[in-house]
Amino acid sequence: KNEVEQSPQNLTAQEGEFITINCSYSVGISALHWLQQHPGGGIVSLFMLSSGKKKHGRLIATINIQEKHSSLHITASHPRDSAVYICAVTGDSNYQLIWGAGTKLIIKP
Amino acid sequence: NAGVTQTPKFQVLKTGQSMTLQCAQDMNHNSMYWYRQDPGMGLRLIYYSASEGTTDKGEVPNGYNVSRLNKREFSLRLESAAPSQTSVYFCASSALYPLAKNIQYFGAGTRLSVL
Repeated sequence: KNEVEQSPQNLTAQEGEFITINCSYSVGISALHWLQQHPGGGIVSLFMLSSGKKKHGRLIATINIQEKHSSLHITASHPRDSAVYICAVTGDSNYQLIWGAGTKLIIKP
Repeated sequence: NAGVTQTPKFQVLKTGQSMTLQCAQDMNHNSMYWYRQDPGMGLRLIYYSASEGTTDKGEVPNGYNVSRLNKREFSLRLESAAPSQTSVYFCASSALYPLAKNIQYFGAGTRLSVL
């Protein structure tokens, strides 16, 4: 079993829909990261969080430390949000990043 | 502001050939990383340099060597390329290590095919 599991693996939605991507982890963590990888391949960090909730524009990330679970929400989704969204956690013992396999999101106009 | 620059963007090698992937950052970051990304898998850490003058093995170091040339530059060398090293390689940097306190900035990636 992978230490960081994302669901769904693939998600297709219509423009304007509310999107939720989930991340569950099985190790102790110091922080959780959400990143975005565009079709061209570039990777951009979206959020780093260790508790609660963060918001940036139409993106919201939440984390529940007790349940070892995080969600990334996209409100009013747009075709330009189409990308792979990656969850990664920083282990609390060796500080290395443990990566999820990613969720491929396609937003249709 | 260029951020993290990787060269080359694409490369095709024959089995047994050697090559060096270059990475440079202009953000005065202390820590740099090399990852590989294979289809259906998460990023895997090959080597990292927590600070200038230090390098450490990551999850998949076999078949690779690295050099932290100075604070800006961190290169990855394949001494004798194998088809299993066909992958997309990403360089990243962060202000400090450990990553619990810092986010990473990524280069655009190098697509390497080994025939």
